[in-house]
Amino acid sequence: RKEVEQDPGPFNVPEGATVAFNCTYSNSASQSFFWYRQDCRKEPKLLMSVYSSGNEDGRFTAQLNRASQYISLLIRDSKLSDSATYLCVVIGTGGSYIPTFGRGTSLIVHP
Amino acid sequence: SQTIHQWPATLVQPVGSPLSLECTVEGTSNPNLYWYRQAAGRGLQLLFYSVGIGQISSEVPQNLSASRPQDRQFILSSKKLLLSDSGFYLCAWSVHGGDLMTLSYNEQFFGPGTRLTVL
Repeated sequence: RKEVEQDPGPFNVPEGATVAFNCTYSNSASQSFFWYRQDCRKEPKLLMSVYSSGNEDGRFTAQLNRASQYISLLIRDSKLSDSATYLCVVIGTGGSYIPTFGRGTSLIVHP
Repeated sequence: SQTIHQWPATLVQPVGSPLSLECTVEGTSNPNLYWYRQAAGRGLQLLFYSVGIGQISSEVPQNLSASRPQDRQFILSSKKLLLSDSGFYLCAWSVHGGDLMTLSYNEQFFGPGTRLTVL
């Protein structure tokens, strides 16, 4: 089993839709979790950290489920500009404190 | 505010040629620094990280090397490029945690990247 797994997609949704992505991790001792956004041929940019209690930033909600070992990202009222690849990052996998990136989930929001 | 610079933005090099990519960070002191590579259609692979001047840890065996000659400067090098070295090279920084434990709690910020094509 890979350390951090994401469904590559693409998720193809209309504007205004709600879409959710999951990211599973293999090491139950993982400490920190983040979501990044990466536009085509650009660097990843931090979208939000994922706290145990969950957190919300506008249309974006991130949650952590330690029992099932996954994090999720929910995007409400999708905009065309949300089209990107969403990367999850887990720190503290495999006995290391080095960040491990998932391969990303591609989101395409169409008119 | 902190900024991170990388250059060049794009590079086309022949197989067997040397490589030097530079990354500098402004607006922070003693950052943790990282080099990643992203091959086409693949995830980010951590190549090197550094918690201080002259301290380099390698994550994967390869023909690349890294150096940190100054606090906010991180250099990725190769003596002889391979075709498989093609990819998108990203430098990142995070707040210095002091040790590997606190390293884990700090989010990373990426530079604009260098797109390397080896022919």
